[in-house]
Amino acid sequence: EADIYQTPRYLVIGTGKKITLECSQTMGHDKMYWYQQDPGMELHLIHYSYGVNSTEKGDLSSESTVSRIRTEHFPLTLESARPSHTSQYLCASSEWQGVREQFFGPGTRLTVL
Amino acid sequence: ELKVEQNPLFLSMQEGKNYTIYCNYSTTSDRLYWYRQDPGKSLESLFVLLSNGAVKQEGRLMASLDTKARLSTLHITAAVHDLSATYFCASTNNAGNMLTFGGGTRLMVKP
Repeated sequence: EADIYQTPRYLVIGTGKKITLECSQTMGHDKMYWYQQDPGMELHLIHYSYGVNSTEKGDLSSESTVSRIRTEHFPLTLESARPSHTSQYLCASSEWQGVREQFFGPGTRLTVL
Repeated sequence: ELKVEQNPLFLSMQEGKNYTIYCNYSTTSDRLYWYRQDPGKSLESLFVLLSNGAVKQEGRLMASLDTKARLSTLHITAAVHDLSATYFCASTNNAGNMLTFGGGTRLMVKP
């Protein structure tokens, strides 16, 4: 069982609010990722990190930002939420070497009204 | 740029039948991942295929990898309703840094 956690699981918020989606893993993985997924659709990588103090933008442009101050923690922040940000956000982590299988958290379903 | 394509995108099948989902990828890669996603849930790892000719089986699902053809298959044997889900395959670039996911195959198994 993968040990990767996301909070909150569900969030309904008004336009213009600042939000932070939390992601933590206890596996000691260096690499962490954020994906955005609309219901029934494909996954889009929006941010990733190779380790502490490393953050990169993914394939899909996003107005969100991320930080990686600790190995186990990779929060995602939206400074001003908009209805277009409504989606499911999935956090994942993997080892740097070896199998490099990505383990996914349970996801945060965000609705912006 | 690595591209991963799955087909079919949607599959409706009767219980007890067999079927195969195909995953093609565009550039050289020696590993392939299969995930399952239930509606409203996150992704669950099913199989990791790490070399040409690799075959893995779990219950009614069997996955294989042909790196020369750049093709992986997920074979379903005697489908049951509990297998209804969306199945994603993913491959990596040669550096193995990132996963590129296919568009997913939504499987519905009818009684």
